[in-house]
Amino acid sequence: AQSVTQPDIHITVSEGASLELRCNYSYGATPYLFWYVQSPGQGLQLLLKYFSGDTLVQGIKGFEAEFKRSQSSFNLRKPSVHWSDAAEYFCAVVSTGTASKLTFGTGTRLQVTL
Amino acid sequence: NAGVTQTPKFQVLKTGQSMTLQCAQDMNHEYMSWYRQDPGMGLRLIHYSVGAGITDQGEVPNGYNVSRSTTEDFPLRLLSAAPSQTSVYFCASSSQTSGEGTQYFGPGTRLLVL
Repeated sequence: AQSVTQPDIHITVSEGASLELRCNYSYGATPYLFWYVQSPGQGLQLLLKYFSGDTLVQGIKGFEAEFKRSQSSFNLRKPSVHWSDAAEYFCAVVSTGTASKLTFGTGTRLQVTL
Repeated sequence: NAGVTQTPKFQVLKTGQSMTLQCAQDMNHEYMSWYRQDPGMGLRLIHYSVGAGITDQGEVPNGYNVSRSTTEDFPLRLLSAAPSQTSVYFCASSSQTSGEGTQYFGPGTRLLVL
């Protein structure tokens, strides 16, 4: 069965600093990969997704992620964090060729200090 | 265009009571799903549907029933609530059933079972 690991439960960064959130997946082939963001008390919003092709994908709000097949990773990055980026971030995968059943990681809570 | 709507926003139940969580979408999406979110566990898939009249189980289906009589609605029923079902429930929909579609999430229903 596929699984997703987000090793960092909580990360604190200063506003203006760079950010990298880690995500590793376990799956026999290349799955569809997603990053979602959840602001407090809200639903989830898609930041970006990867299916194939260019391994560096751009998303909304200045986020990007890089797929590394050799490391089974799909890390999320942002060059300069804004206070409004404080939220919880979830990495998720879907098995290719199946229904859209997302398997989520446990999430990383981002705190931004001013 | 309201997107995905969920009612109620918050509910308190006593053990053994039944209730239905409502989910509706106005985007004519074929795929709909229910997730529960628990601290430290990310989101887990309860049930999903790839179209009207078709439903299937996800990762944690026990204690929940669903039906899909229309494209727009996908209610989740708790037949006999248990404290273990205290959680935040999210409904999602997607235009694609094969995995690569963006899933749009509702704002969630917070359920407390005493």
